[in-house]
Amino acid sequence: EVQLLQSGAELKKPGESLKISCKCSGYRFPNDWIGWVRQMPGKGLEWMGIIYPGDSETRYSPSFEGQVTMSVDKSINTAYLHWSRLKASDTAMYYCARRTSAAASAFDVWGQGTLVTVSS
Amino acid sequence: DIQMTQSPSSLSASVGDRVTITCRASQSIGNYLNWYQQKPGKAPKLLIYAPSTLQSGVPSRFSGRGSGTEFTLTISSLQPDDFATYYCQQTHRSPPTFGPGTKVDI
Repeated sequence: EVQLLQSGAELKKPGESLKISCKCSGYRFPNDWIGWVRQMPGKGLEWMGIIYPGDSETRYSPSFEGQVTMSVDKSINTAYLHWSRLKASDTAMYYCARRTSAAASAFDVWGQGTLVTVSS
Repeated sequence: DIQMTQSPSSLSASVGDRVTITCRASQSIGNYLNWYQQKPGKAPKLLIYAPSTLQSGVPSRFSGRGSGTEFTLTISSLQPDDFATYYCQQTHRSPPTFGPGTKVDI
């Protein structure tokens, strides 16, 4: 069974750094893109970007380019989303998801989400 | 970016009703249209992709159709488990974009 298990909720202060994780299992991790999706409180879904674990190629939405950094550790089948300086406006639920070319590049399996709260 | 719109933004329905949600793209996206269902406090779930293929395990009461700029998601007979928010997503051109969602409630 394909599973994406995300790290737990975070409470941080503005200006702090943060890295959240997404542990993938049940399939060949290097072979499928992993994406990140933001959902601000009470709002819709926003596509942030994708990373290909095979070679760490990244594609960011222009809205998130320079604001976050995606990375992977192939040795432990884990993808990461990193902020160097958080802002209050980064408060949101963040989902990782596997993108499959077999389904029109849709996200077919999702993590449970990581709630990030940024508050002084 | 390609803009996606959905109508209605919300609807009230009863168990057994036939429900149709429309998604429109600001330019042609071919068949690169996907539908997701999200329940409160849960991650989204892929229902339909490309734009009429049911994801494995999705009940056959869900169907999708369309091409180009206009697409529909239909639930033939609404069940209690279907009350949720539905999002369309285009994957024709980067960045992929989601519609604003349609909330289906009682």
